Amino acid sequence: ETGVTQSPTHLIKTRGQQVTLRCSSQSGHNTVSWYQQALGQGPQFIFQYYREEENGRGNFPPRFSGLQFPNYSSELNVNALELDDSALYLCASSLYRNDNEKLFFGSGTQLSVL
Amino acid sequence: QKEVEQNSGPLSVPEGAIASLNCTYSDRGSQSFFWYRQYSGKSPELIMFIYSNGDKEDGRFTAQLNKASQYVSLLIRDSQPSDSATYLCAVRFYNQGGKLIFGQGTELSVKP
Repeated sequence: ETGVTQSPTHLIKTRGQQVTLRCSSQSGHNTVSWYQQALGQGPQFIFQYYREEENGRGNFPPRFSGLQFPNYSSELNVNALELDDSALYLCASSLYRNDNEKLFFGSGTQLSVL
Repeated sequence: QKEVEQNSGPLSVPEGAIASLNCTYSDRGSQSFFWYRQYSGKSPELIMFIYSNGDKEDGRFTAQLNKASQYVSLLIRDSQPSDSATYLCAVRFYNQGGKLIFGQGTELSVKP
């Protein structure tokens, strides 16, 4: 167990809807990163939050947004869902924002968009 | 050219053999390197990390890094059927914070 928990584990939505995914960081961790993993591909970086501010973003459109709360838990919001958004969404928390920090992933949320 | 490349496999080895998984990356400014194992339907699990040129051993696993050749590999000795999974190579570049760039993964199958 990594101490990183995500909810829900599975979710089914229809195209055009909005979805919120949640992540609870490992105790004391102040940095959270979100990744999208499509079937058969490696995870793709969506964005990172450090002390409640976005600290880096991958090549994802603005309809992907996030929040980090004072207790360092986090949300990923996706608006106007598209079929291609169907994927495993992974959250990872870490203690320091440095280059050698290891990332440990939560169990993920499997999103299906119909 | 992709930033991190792996052969997708599948790589099939007999039980007890050495499995060799390879990864190349495009940026000489890379800082740190990670190997994750991912079972079907599960999230990636960190199994090895390496920061300096050379070999790093942990049990049956050895990570090898050659920054001049932009090459990192993972050797699994005495492969077991339970090692059957997808192995993801991930690279962090300088000043990229928590951003990891992943390869597409190599599927390993260990046959009894």
